[in-house]
Amino acid sequence: DAGVTQSPTHLIKTRGQHVTLRCSPISGHKSVSWYQQVLGQGPQFIFQYYEKEERGRGNFPDRFSARQFPNYSSELNVNALLLGDSALYLCASRGGLADSYNEQFFGPGTRLTVL
Amino acid sequence: ELKVEQNPLFLSMQEGKNYTIYCNYSTTSDRLYWYRQDPGKSLESLFVLLSNGAVKQEGRLMASLDTKARLSTLHITAAVHDLSATYFCAVDRANFGNEKLTFGTGTRLTIIP
Repeated sequence: DAGVTQSPTHLIKTRGQHVTLRCSPISGHKSVSWYQQVLGQGPQFIFQYYEKEERGRGNFPDRFSARQFPNYSSELNVNALLLGDSALYLCASRGGLADSYNEQFFGPGTRLTVL
Repeated sequence: ELKVEQNPLFLSMQEGKNYTIYCNYSTTSDRLYWYRQDPGKSLESLFVLLSNGAVKQEGRLMASLDTKARLSTLHITAAVHDLSATYFCAVDRANFGNEKLTFGTGTRLTIIP
């Protein structure tokens, strides 16, 4: 079975540009979360979506937005890119809501470099 | 705000030795996770600890959880070079619909032959 997939693998953008990152969860998983991992730090929570609704938002500016589609795949959009947005962006999928234990599985990540 | 701290941040140890990584968290949490990350790679799940006193072991790694002390440990037995990686602990709250993971700072482990 395929795990969590993300595209693209690597991306180079310049300051001020916009970027869209994509994530496909494990088949049957309805929850998708996004994390930003700056080099040398632990991942930071950005968003969580379940059944196409936003369920959680981390401490990130409004330049960051996301959405989930009917097939449970998700996009993370970042506008007006800054140098500090350079990071590994990780997507995680989970089978259900947190009222029953379901492990999060992480995708391979998208490495974004902003020049 | 939930905070997670790990120590040490960096650990260099010889093959065959034992050592422990510590993970402290600031508020009550429902689940404690340990992940491994190789350079430039994603996160690999190692253990999930769900209750006080939980202990899990896989190969040379053993994780435990003390919810009263808000402390988890990852113990490495007879280290081998393949265990060189960065290890993260993370916690979350089983709030309905809110599955935010809060990660520690990570421990970069280097095993010296």
